[in-house]
Amino acid sequence: DVKVTQSSRYLVKRTGEKVFLECVQDMDHENMFWYRQDPGLGLRLIYFSYDVKMKEKGDIPEGYSVSREKKERFSLILESASTNQTSMYLCASSGDREKETQYFGPGTRLLVL
Amino acid sequence: GEDVEQSLFLSVREGDSSVINCTYTDSSSTYLYWYKQEPGAGLQLLTYIFSNMDMKQDQRLTVLLNKKDKHLSLRIADTQTGDSAIYFCAESIWRDDKIIFGKGTRLHILP
Repeated sequence: DVKVTQSSRYLVKRTGEKVFLECVQDMDHENMFWYRQDPGLGLRLIYFSYDVKMKEKGDIPEGYSVSREKKERFSLILESASTNQTSMYLCASSGDREKETQYFGPGTRLLVL
Repeated sequence: GEDVEQSLFLSVREGDSSVINCTYTDSSSTYLYWYKQEPGAGLQLLTYIFSNMDMKQDQRLTVLLNKKDKHLSLRIADTQTGDSAIYFCAESIWRDDKIIFGKGTRLHILP
């Protein structure tokens, strides 16, 4: 079974803090994704990565950056958290052999005060 | 442009069938998916259908695809309280590695 884990289920941060969200997958998947999920807006793609050290902007990259130093790990970074970044963050991964199918982590609910 | 539309809410009595509908706009979609999200959890891949298929059945789940109308549906037979969740329709496009998600349909089960 594919396993995608996220470092925290719940996180509370203050405005201006730097925030790291970590995602790890154990299936040697090449592709990893970060989404945020907000009521009424569904899932929106923030960033994705096809390979180590590679990153591509998604639909809403502003205010975020990412890091992929190892194949199994994809980090989402909020350089200076703002209240409008309060959201549920979902990580996903997919393998090149089954590129179309993404497997999701449990999500991190971030509250920025 | 790429767009996936689904109604936001569906209420069904326990034991009845639930039918969740979805429409998409891109005719070059390759796979169409249904994901389930239970409260406080991530998205779980429920089932998917390749775009050259009309129907796929998996136990209580039936997926119907009308490619001409770009309409996808998920039927859950004998709906149980454990089926209460948000169901996301999604499509992948052959020329792109991203998946486009709908906004999700919240399925509410009445006793």
